[in-house]
Amino acid sequence: DAGVTQSPTHLIKTRGQQVTLRCSPKSGHDTVSWYQQALGQGPQFIFQYYEEEERQRGNFPDRFSGHQFPNYSSELNVNALLLGDSALYLCASRIEGVSDTEAFFGQGTRLTVV
Amino acid sequence: KNQVEQSPQSLIILEGKNCTLQCNYTVSPFSNLRWYKQDTGRGPVSLTIMTFSENTKSNGRYTATLDADTKQSSLHITASQLSDSASYICVVTDNQTGANNLFFGTGTRLTVIP
Repeated sequence: DAGVTQSPTHLIKTRGQQVTLRCSPKSGHDTVSWYQQALGQGPQFIFQYYEEEERQRGNFPDRFSGHQFPNYSSELNVNALLLGDSALYLCASRIEGVSDTEAFFGQGTRLTVV
Repeated sequence: KNQVEQSPQSLIILEGKNCTLQCNYTVSPFSNLRWYKQDTGRGPVSLTIMTFSENTKSNGRYTATLDADTKQSSLHITASQLSDSASYICVVTDNQTGANNLFFGTGTRLTVIP
């Protein structure tokens, strides 16, 4: 079982550019959540996708958008990058409807905006 | 407001010594509490999960406790090893219908020195 895989692992972008991060959930998982983790901080919830719809959203601007595909994989898009968007972006997957289901995390994508 | 607070923020201990990390939460309605270990630049990995009815759970040298009345949890690490150096994050899940939210603490940064 490959677990949750994210790509790319590292990325450097220029302020104002756009970026797309990708996540493949753990086999059998149908719910994908995205988190932003600044250095030395806990992860902050961006949004969650289930059945190809954004089901829940954290306190992030519309520059952050996403998508979930029929195979449950997901993308996170960030437009008009700011220096403050530099962070580790984590994807987590789980199974909807299972009591006490565990969220499995990918290893993250380190985004640096210069 | 749903919050998770951890203490201490950082901790340095000698190899072989024990330590205890603390987590206080105000998340409601409560579903479960997990302790995650996060190596630098990597995704979090689950150590233990505690549900409302559980008081203590062990995973090797890690022992977690939960007091649901006072909304406090602790993670005790016994006979620490250099590989225990990481951030330890307390994550509380609420029981909202439709989408479980994960509420993260900011973590405790543990450094084990020889």
